[in-house]
Amino acid sequence: GAVVSQHPSRVICKSGTSVKIECRSLDFQATTMFWYRQFPKQSLMLMATSNEGSKATYEQGVEKDKFLINHASLTLSTLTVTSAHPEDSSFYICSADHRGNGNEKLFFGSGTQLSVL
Amino acid sequence: QKEVEQDPGPLSVPEGAIVSLNCTYSNSAFQYFMWYRQYSRKGPELLMYTYSSGNKEDGRFTAQVDKSSKYISLFIRDSQPSDSATYLCAMKTGANNLFFGTGTRLTVIP
Repeated sequence: GAVVSQHPSRVICKSGTSVKIECRSLDFQATTMFWYRQFPKQSLMLMATSNEGSKATYEQGVEKDKFLINHASLTLSTLTVTSAHPEDSSFYICSADHRGNGNEKLFFGSGTQLSVL
Repeated sequence: QKEVEQDPGPLSVPEGAIVSLNCTYSNSAFQYFMWYRQYSRKGPELLMYTYSSGNKEDGRFTAQVDKSSKYISLFIRDSQPSDSATYLCAMKTGANNLFFGTGTRLTVIP
């Protein structure tokens, strides 16, 4: 399957700092990438849809000024958690839309565990 | 009512057993159905991908979709301890947005 690389895998930061998470599609171009958040023992919650060259679309209840998304190229999307607080501690996962053979499939990164102290 | 319902388990089976995982859904517009496997603190890995109704087999895994009942299943034959993970069903219409089940936590006991 297609490969999506997410970095870093784990980050610990102090309250009030900003954290940037990168999501790269390594062997395909992705016009659309998605950012999810997952709390322990819960399913993935879509935060926002990132489209290359345009503004991201945020889900209801997700603060766009807090979770900044940039999709500057067909292979890279970044999520910046600004002024992080302990309640932002979570597992963040990106996915990229891979279109091949007429099928649309989503492939996921390995996730980033964010811990805000 | 949630778009996608999935029993969270946990489900424990002995090695070699047949595992049956299921999801139901309410939106009849869903056409694409997927099963993902997620190990702890890792991203989901796509296991099976099915368009519309029918069966699909890949090795020890079989995915079934019954659109008339709005019910999908994943069967794992000859289950192995390495199959222990959380299994997420997911589905979508023609648009990109995926709707996930809550995931079923499976443990295969050696």
